[in-house]
This record gives sequence, C-alpha cells and structure tokens, in this order.
Amino acid sequence: DGGITQSPKYLFRKEGQNVTLSCEQNLNHDAMYWYRQDPGQGLRLIYYSQIVNDFQKGDIAEGYSVSREKKESFPLTVTSAQKNPTAFYLCASRLGTREAPTGSTIYFGEGSWLTVV
Amino acid sequence: AQKVTQAQTEISVVEKEDVTLDCVYETRDTTYYLFWYKQPPSGELVFLIRRNSFDEQNEISGRYSWNFQKSTSSFNFTITASQVVDSAVYFCALSEANFGNEKLTFGTGTRLTIIP
Repeated sequence: DGGITQSPKYLFRKEGQNVTLSCEQNLNHDAMYWYRQDPGQGLRLIYYSQIVNDFQKGDIAEGYSVSREKKESFPLTVTSAQKNPTAFYLCASRLGTREAPTGSTIYFGEGSWLTVV
Repeated sequence: AQKVTQAQTEISVVEKEDVTLDCVYETRDTTYYLFWYKQPPSGELVFLIRRNSFDEQNEISGRYSWNFQKSTSSFNFTITASQVVDSAVYFCALSEANFGNEKLTFGTGTRLTIIP
C-alpha cells in the first residue's frame, strides 16, 4: 500500500537522551515535513525539505534535527536540547515541484507519540 | 505572515443537526491554497478538501460542503445531517504559493462532538 509510515507509534524518552522518529513514504513525493502537535493545539512546523539533501527550519526548530539523504526518508531527531519534547509528532509529504508546482495536497502519516519519563 | 483563525474551540450538536465550522485566514499573497483536515481520535490527519484562491465556487461532497469567500477571507465548512462518526477535531490550513518554499499554516482546530 502507498502511504506515509511513521515509527514508532509510541516512544518514551528519558531526560537527556536523544531519540529519532522515523518517517518513510512510498508516494514518490519530493517534499516532506515534520509537525508537532500539543494537546488542544494546532500543528506547528518543525522542519521541512523540498528536495533530497536540502531542508529548512520551520517555526519551532530549536532542539530538533533532521536529515534527508533519501527521497523516501525524513527522520527527525529530538535532542536533549529540546526542553519540552512530550507531544504528538506528525510527518507529512507532498508531490513536489516537478509535477505540481504549488499547492498540491499535503498528506500525513499516523503520527508518533513521544513522552519524556 | 500567514495566519489561520478557528475561533470555535469546541462545538457539540445532536446527531442529524447541521453544523458549520468557521475558518478565517490572513495572507498577503494573491495566490494561495486552503485546506480542511479531519483528525479522528486515532490521530492521523485525513485530507478533506483543497481550494485555490482563484476558485470561489462552493463545493459539495455528500454531507460536506465548503463556502469560500475571498471578500471576508473565510473558508467555512458545513456538515449536513451530522453523524456520530463526524466527531473529530477539524483543522483549517493555508498554504501560500511560494515556489520552492511551500508549507502549511494551521488553525488551532475545532473539536466537534456529535451527541447520539
């Protein structure tokens, strides 16, 4: 099946640890995104990548890092510098600029719950 | 800077009633795209509709309809004859047509509860 796969679904992190959330898509989408959602709030953009080997900071990038070595993969690392990492993390992707210059629909994975213990 | 406002934090209606979710946006661009997503309790965001700024035609899809009015910068969503399965959080989002730098800005969402 085509889609966006996030893993793990649930993750517990001890304070001071780095953790990495996986996001893989087989939709042949060029652009990928990471959003954070806190309870009762909207989604805030952490990082996004329009093409392989390139990515930009979103609105709340501090304490996070990403890589985009392959088109289908966009892992997010939550570092120990992120002071309040407990949240729901959503990965998304969009058909890129070659096929659809602007405004193509962004599709989301099922999300990952991260809890600091 | 772009902004999306969903003033209704929570709405509860009895099953079979109609309900409208409001969305007001701000952008300096003349070309932009508006979206609605549904987030059921499982957490995944489900795409419902996309509308570009040049198309002000209202759209109907089954029990769902959308009213886009550029004059008031609004993109409201109506569910007719609501059902319990419609209970979810609904997000409105805006994407400016910024070639090579596109991203979605979300509202804070409206939690809709349909009472059986």
